[in-house]
Amino acid sequence: GNSVTQMEGPVTLSEEAFLTINCTYTATGYPSLFWYVQYPGEGLQLLLKATKADDKGSNKGFEATYRKETTSFHLEKGSVQVSDSAVYFCALSEGWFSGGYNKLIFGAGTRLAVHP
Amino acid sequence: NAGVTQTPKFQVLKTGQSMTLQCAQDMNHEYMSWYRQDPGMGLRLIHYSVGAGITDQGEVPNGYNVSRSTTEDFPLRLLSAAPSQTSVYFCASRDSSYNSPLHFGNGTRLTVT
Repeated sequence: GNSVTQMEGPVTLSEEAFLTINCTYTATGYPSLFWYVQYPGEGLQLLLKATKADDKGSNKGFEATYRKETTSFHLEKGSVQVSDSAVYFCALSEGWFSGGYNKLIFGAGTRLAVHP
Repeated sequence: NAGVTQTPKFQVLKTGQSMTLQCAQDMNHEYMSWYRQDPGMGLRLIHYSVGAGITDQGEVPNGYNVSRSTTEDFPLRLLSAAPSQTSVYFCASRDSSYNSPLHFGNGTRLTVT
């Protein structure tokens, strides 16, 4: 079945360092791809998304490009801040529930810790 | 601007006890769902609902019941708690537009001893 694989964490960086969190997927068809972020003590919230090949999603300085040829959707940020410390989840949509809602498959999450 | 509200935030149960995790949303979303979050496993879907009176099973439904009597509320019932149900539980809702984002509550941390 469809699946999402993320790099294991934790990822520990100094402030202003460059961030890459790898995400690869296995899917049939043409899923949409997402990054969600979970700050300490909170639920997940959508960070960015891309709905077709070569699309680039971006938000809050984070970017990810939908690469169908490598089945990847790596998250990048040029200069991280302490406030970016969180757990990041890659996800893909697949299939359909009743009522027309597509299913979401989440990766295991990658914890990022940014130090001053 | 409450969004998705979950109660309680923390709960400790003994094996065999039952309880209900509450979830309410004020965004008039038809779709609601319950996930559990376990280390190294990401989020797994337990049950979901696409409207009042309509529920269905997700990936890991065993040991859990749900009902949806109103658009706003989607409680999750643990019938007879087991240590394997120790987890963090998230309720999430979304609107009906294509690829609409999930809105999550802040979670309930459940420990079963």
